[in-house]
Amino acid sequence: QKEVEQNSGPLSVPEGAIASLNCTYSDRVSQSFFWYRQYSGKSPELIMSIYSNGDKEDGRFTAQLNKASQYVSLLIRDSQPSDSATYLCAVDFTGGGNKLTFGTGTQLKVEL
Amino acid sequence: DAGVIQSPRHEVTEMGQEVTLRCKPISGHNSLFWYRQTMMRGLELLIYFNNNVPIDDSGMPEDRFSAKMPNASFSTLKIQPSEPRDSAVYFCASSLQTGMNTEAFFGQGTRLTVV
Repeated sequence: QKEVEQNSGPLSVPEGAIASLNCTYSDRVSQSFFWYRQYSGKSPELIMSIYSNGDKEDGRFTAQLNKASQYVSLLIRDSQPSDSATYLCAVDFTGGGNKLTFGTGTQLKVEL
Repeated sequence: DAGVIQSPRHEVTEMGQEVTLRCKPISGHNSLFWYRQTMMRGLELLIYFNNNVPIDDSGMPEDRFSAKMPNASFSTLKIQPSEPRDSAVYFCASSLQTGMNTEAFFGQGTRLTVV
């Protein structure tokens, strides 16, 4: 069974620090990887997608992918209290681009 | 665009009753997904449609669950009969499938409570 693993947290970081969120997955041939943010009581919203090895930066967010190690991470620079949420890692194991398996999420708390 | 629209936002029903959840995907999207989210199991894919056709329903927990997509702008998820263990938040999501792109956009969810 294809799996996506995340540490449930909570991960607490001080305001202004870098938050590092990690995710491992079970299938080496996976091609598409996504990070979703979910505020309490709200729906998941896509913040980053990454398809090839290396880093992808978008504003304060950087996604890092290492397919050999089956590892994807999300870095949030200059963390703000508004970044406090649960971050869900999602992987498309099918290669067909249409079926995501989600991790259970990591709760991030950014403290003043 | 108004995004993915789900109704109702909240549903409380008694065990044994039929429950129907509704979803309107983003116009122009060709894929639609139904997810269920619980504290214990996280976000689970129940079923997805591509061009209104069910492609994979392996996540549907049992025969009490059924889903339809009669046209590109509407889908339903039905539970009959409902049980307390069905209590969860049900999300509908849609995407425009282009190659490897699987950027799904979620509706606000329906919080179902079965008592």
